[in-house]
Amino acid sequence: SYELAQPPSLSVSPGQTASITCSGDKLGDKYASWYQQKPGQSPVLVIYQTDKRPSGIPERFSGSSSGNTATLTISGTQAMDEADYYCQAWDRSTYVTFGGGTKLTVL
Amino acid sequence: QVQLVESGGGGVQSGRSLRLSCAASGFTFSSYPMHWVRQAPGKGLEWVGLIAYDGVNKFYADSVEGRFTIFRDNSRSTLYLQMNSLRAEDSAVYYCGRDHSSGWVVDFWGQGTLVTVSS
Repeated sequence: SYELAQPPSLSVSPGQTASITCSGDKLGDKYASWYQQKPGQSPVLVIYQTDKRPSGIPERFSGSSSGNTATLTISGTQAMDEADYYCQAWDRSTYVTFGGGTKLTVL
Repeated sequence: QVQLVESGGGGVQSGRSLRLSCAASGFTFSSYPMHWVRQAPGKGLEWVGLIAYDGVNKFYADSVEGRFTIFRDNSRSTLYLQMNSLRAEDSAVYYCGRDHSSGWVVDFWGQGTLVTVSS
């Protein structure tokens, strides 16, 4: 089975850069996606195909990947960015896999 | 605008069955593969399965294979999840989602419906 690992939590000060990592075997050879989920709400797609932003997602959200790690970067983090973030990738063995999620705190 | 509205959740005893529905609007439903994703209380996201746009091909997570069936009625723009032999660990909020054009990515999510399985 395919697994993706994320740090459970990350704290960042307002205006700073938040980098959330996602690790998986040969993840750099796959497309990674990222979702934001605020308390009591449904997830929202913020990055797909590793580095593409859907319409309506602010430019401060960006994605990258190298080796076994994909990274979601939030530049100039705002209080409204406080949420859980999940990475996701496709693998032929398990189809869709989500990471365990990272709780981003902005304080 | 894209709208996905799930229904059919509720409480059910272990071993019983339940069928969830997802009513879609705001896009050409018959052109898109569709996902089911679940989230146990306080836990992360878990993919359940995907059905192709025409309903022919279906893919499932190992945890539900053989117990859950995804099907769709394109004439009604509705997606379904038939859940049989339910277990306590199936308790979760179930979301339906539209597949992004890039494939195997959920670009729009419904609000979810809660399923609680009691032993």
